[in-house]
Amino acid sequence: HLQESGPGLVKPSETLSLTCTVSGDSFSSSGYYWGLIRQPPGKGLEWVGTVDYSGITYQSSSLKGRVTMAVDTSKSQFSLKLRSVTAADTAVYYCARLQGAGWAPFDIWGQGTMVSVSS
Amino acid sequence: EIVLTQSPGTLSLSPGERATLSCRASQSVRSNYLAWYQQKPGQAPRLLIYGASNRATDIPDRFSGSGSGTDFTLTISRLEPEDFAVYYCQQYGSSLTFGGGTKVEIK
Repeated sequence: HLQESGPGLVKPSETLSLTCTVSGDSFSSSGYYWGLIRQPPGKGLEWVGTVDYSGITYQSSSLKGRVTMAVDTSKSQFSLKLRSVTAADTAVYYCARLQGAGWAPFDIWGQGTMVSVSS
Repeated sequence: EIVLTQSPGTLSLSPGERATLSCRASQSVRSNYLAWYQQKPGQAPRLLIYGASNRATDIPDRFSGSGSGTDFTLTISRLEPEDFAVYYCQQYGSSLTFGGGTKVEIK
């Protein structure tokens, strides 16, 4: 089970911060990676980034280095910081588990949290 | 980056009919690492197929995936009322990218 927590509303040029909390014992396993996917209103899915158990991250090139991801194993959480947001970053943000270590499909998803960028 | 193109954009069918959805990649997908997801309004996507042809846990056998290289297909053999939704393909052979989606709607 994954649960997203986010700010709801972020001002343009500021940083979007979002946390994903994982329940169950899979977070402590090195056999899984964790990811963030977003979906602008009425549009398709876009991969944002992926983080592994040790904190190594991979991010979409389309986000031009604005992404930082981290893990907190003591809290079974991983997090996203997206800098310099614009209206184009308005989306539902989903946390998800990759099916295995490395590049893999997303087999478990959170319910998603809507983040709007507006002044 | 591998670009995935899904067709058609919308498929209008009746319950009981067969649905055939296409996903074409801009370059060959390594090891056929291609997945399919179903998304209903207001819900998160659900994994249906991985590795091009393997059904995920608890997915009914009316869903099947096929293809290799750059051309992949999701087939729903007989549409049930709950199958009307948007379907996305995703490749994970080289980083991660999603297709634009195909909406299966009731005719």
